[in-house]
Amino acid sequence: KQEVTQIPAALSVPEGENLVLNCSFTDSAIYNLQWFRQDPGKGLTSLLLIQSSQREQTSGRLNASLDKSSGRSTLYIAASQPGDSATYLCAVPSGGYQKVTFGTGTKLQVIP
Amino acid sequence: GAVVSQHPSRVICKSGTSVKIECRSLDFQATTMFWYRQFPKQSLMLMATSNEGSKATYEQGVEKDKFLINHASLTLSTLTVTSAHPEDSSFYICSAKDPGKETQYFGPGTRLLVL
Repeated sequence: KQEVTQIPAALSVPEGENLVLNCSFTDSAIYNLQWFRQDPGKGLTSLLLIQSSQREQTSGRLNASLDKSSGRSTLYIAASQPGDSATYLCAVPSGGYQKVTFGTGTKLQVIP
Repeated sequence: GAVVSQHPSRVICKSGTSVKIECRSLDFQATTMFWYRQFPKQSLMLMATSNEGSKATYEQGVEKDKFLINHASLTLSTLTVTSAHPEDSSFYICSAKDPGKETQYFGPGTRLLVL
């Protein structure tokens, strides 16, 4: 059974700081890995999708890396802004039906 | 890009009533859809896998008679919460798998409050 863990569970940083969010998964037989953000009381916003054959993806100030063999992914946020405050979730589909297992989430607060 | 919609976005109902939530894939045909539930301050947990034309597959601990899933067409799956109780209050999110891209797209979610 796939288990996905995110560290840290919560993070508070001053505006402008670069930061790294971590995601680890137990079953490396994944199709891809996706990072989402979720604002309080809202749905999911897809940030980055990394296919299993890729090592990283970039979108603006966001960079996500994937190391399948070690079961790890990182989300790097450059020059953080208060608008980045949200909960960040990583998710991995695995198994025959590609059921997605979500991580435990990292709640980020960027202080102005 | 691919879009998945959910309706309604929010529903409040009395205890004992049934509530139906719709999930639609707008840009592609989805043979497989998934239903997730998120309780406050928790991550999303998969409830069931919905396959067009066949019975849904439920995760352990999810009551199939309480959460009825019908995947009637390649673009629509419905989740009916039967005889809802306050403990069913949660955020329900669906996703649809785009077979052409091997990617899942998530709906905006439905917030259910049972009084």
